Amino acid sequence: DVKVTQSSRYLVKRTGEKVFLECVQDMDHENMFWYRQDPGLGLRLIYFSYDVKMKEKGDIPEGYSVSREKKERFSLILESASTNQTSMYLCASSLMRTSFQYFGPGTRLTVT
Amino acid sequence: QKEVEQNSGPLSVPEGAIASLNCTYSDRGSQSFFWYRQYSGKSPELIMFIYSNGDKEDGRFTAQLNKASQYVSLLIRDSQPSDSATYLCAVGSDQAGTALIFGKGTTLSVSS
Repeated sequence: DVKVTQSSRYLVKRTGEKVFLECVQDMDHENMFWYRQDPGLGLRLIYFSYDVKMKEKGDIPEGYSVSREKKERFSLILESASTNQTSMYLCASSLMRTSFQYFGPGTRLTVT
Repeated sequence: QKEVEQNSGPLSVPEGAIASLNCTYSDRGSQSFFWYRQYSGKSPELIMFIYSNGDKEDGRFTAQLNKASQYVSLLIRDSQPSDSATYLCAVGSDQAGTALIFGKGTTLSVSS
């Protein structure tokens, strides 16, 4: 069974803080993704990575950065959190870029 | 801009009826098609995938693909209240640099 885990289910941070969201997958998948999901806006791709140390911008990369030092781990970084980054953050992984993605449980981030 | 369109709903059906969810996509080069179910507050889970024109059945679920018309649909037979969720359509193209494109989802409500 593929498992994608995320470091926190709920997180509350203050404006200006640096925030790290961690994602780990255990199926040796090449591709990993970070999305945010907001009511009425659907899933929006922030960044994805198709190999260690490789990354590509998605649709809304502004205000975010990522790190992939090991194949199984993909981190999303909010350099200076702002209230408009309050959202549900979802990590996913897939064997190939356009094969089905397995999602982690999500992190609901609130920035106050 | 590649797009995947779904009616947001809500689509309301009585228990035992057939629920029909539709999705259209803009990229003619799309080759992989997925349906995810997402319960409120949870992450998306894959329920069906289809790659070839025609129908694919799995239990109460049938995915239908028509590449000429660029639409994919999901039929849920004998709908149950537990099917009440948001259903996301996702489309993949083998074009380099792309990841899956997700629709915003259709909310299904099954009343008992």
